Parts: sequence; structure tokens; C-alpha cells
Amino acid sequence: AQSVAQPEDQVNVAEGNPLTVKCTYSVSGNPYLFWYVQYPNRGLQFLLKYITGDNLVKGSYGFEAEFNKSQTSFHLKKPSALVSDSALYFCAVTANYQLIWGAGTKLIIKP
Amino acid sequence: GAGVSQSPSNKVTEKGKDVELRCDPISGHTALYWYRQSLGQGLEFLIYFQGNSAPDKSGLPSDRFSAERTGGSVSTLTIQRTQQEDSAVYLCASSFELGVLAKNIQYFGAGTRLSVL
Repeated sequence: AQSVAQPEDQVNVAEGNPLTVKCTYSVSGNPYLFWYVQYPNRGLQFLLKYITGDNLVKGSYGFEAEFNKSQTSFHLKKPSALVSDSALYFCAVTANYQLIWGAGTKLIIKP
Repeated sequence: GAGVSQSPSNKVTEKGKDVELRCDPISGHTALYWYRQSLGQGLEFLIYFQGNSAPDKSGLPSDRFSAERTGGSVSTLTIQRTQQEDSAVYLCASSFELGVLAKNIQYFGAGTRLSVL
């Protein structure tokens, strides 16, 4: 079955420290991978995507993600976290004509 | 408009009533998606419209749920005989897809928060 896993319900990081939000997937074929962010009381916003090419993808707000085919992972990273990065983050992967969504990871950045 | 618009933003209804939720996608976007998000949870796919193709209704949880997209633009999600478990935020998204693969960015509306009493 095609699926996306975000193994951490919540990630806590101190402001200024690097952050990683994990995502692994299981789909057939070459995946298209996405990260979206949902700020409190706001809609979902696109952060970045991987279609093909360079495995390191840079996106909005200083975020980046690395596609690792052998580990079937697409972890989201940022070198230095901001309190304003606190939000709910979703990983998603294209399976046929749908996006399969992870359950989301709540990122809390503490001052 | 500049973005995906959903109305109403909030809807409170009594169990057993029917509700209609509306989505105005970004002009020119060929694909439209409906999702359901329960409190603090991930997105549950409901239905997908792409161009003139038959919609993918595989995510609709029961026959009380239906959706249509008129003229390739505005979409309405209808829930008949609402139940308390239908309470959630219903999100609409649109994207421009040339084919059937969902490989382009989806733009989301702010959602409709449905509360069934």
C-alpha cells in the first residue's frame, strides 16, 4: 500500500538550533514529494517540492529538504529555527493522481 | 480572486440537517480537491475533479457525501443528514495539472469549520 509516514507527532527545538522533521514514504515508481505548513488558524501553504534533479531542495522561509531514494525519505530541515516556525508540517507524496498525506508533525520552537 | 475561497468559514448545524460547502478555486486551475481535517489531524482525501474527467470519489466516507463542480470552476460539497462525526474542517484546494498526475502545487482555501450539534 502506498503511504507516507511522519514518525514524530511533535518536535521541540530551541530557537536558533537546527531542526529536522522526518518523513518517509512508500510508493511505486518515482515519487513527487511535497512539504506543506499549516500555521495556527491559517490555511495550508506550500513549502517545497521534489520532482527530479538535485536531491537537496530549497523552499520558502529558509527550509530545505533532502530526497534520499535508498532510504525513501524526504526530511525537512532548517539550519536555525525561529519561534515563528512553530506550526503543523505535512509531508505528501504523489501516488497516481492523488497526494497521499502524512499525519502531520507539530513543530514547537521555544525561545 | 487571488486565492481559493471557501464559504462559509464556519457552519453550525443540527444533527440530521443537510449542509452545502462552497469552493471557488483559482481561476484557470484545472484540478480541484476536497479534504477533511479533524482537529489536529492530517488530511483525509475526499474527492478530486480534474478537467472534464469523471471525478474520483474514492475518498467519500459514505453516500451522504456528494460533490459537484459546475462549469469546471466552482464546487459544492454536500453532506446530507449530518452526523456528529462529520464535524471537522473541510478544505478545498486547486492546482493546475496538465495530466492526471498530482505533481503541481495545491493552493488551499482557509477551510469551512463544520460543527454538528
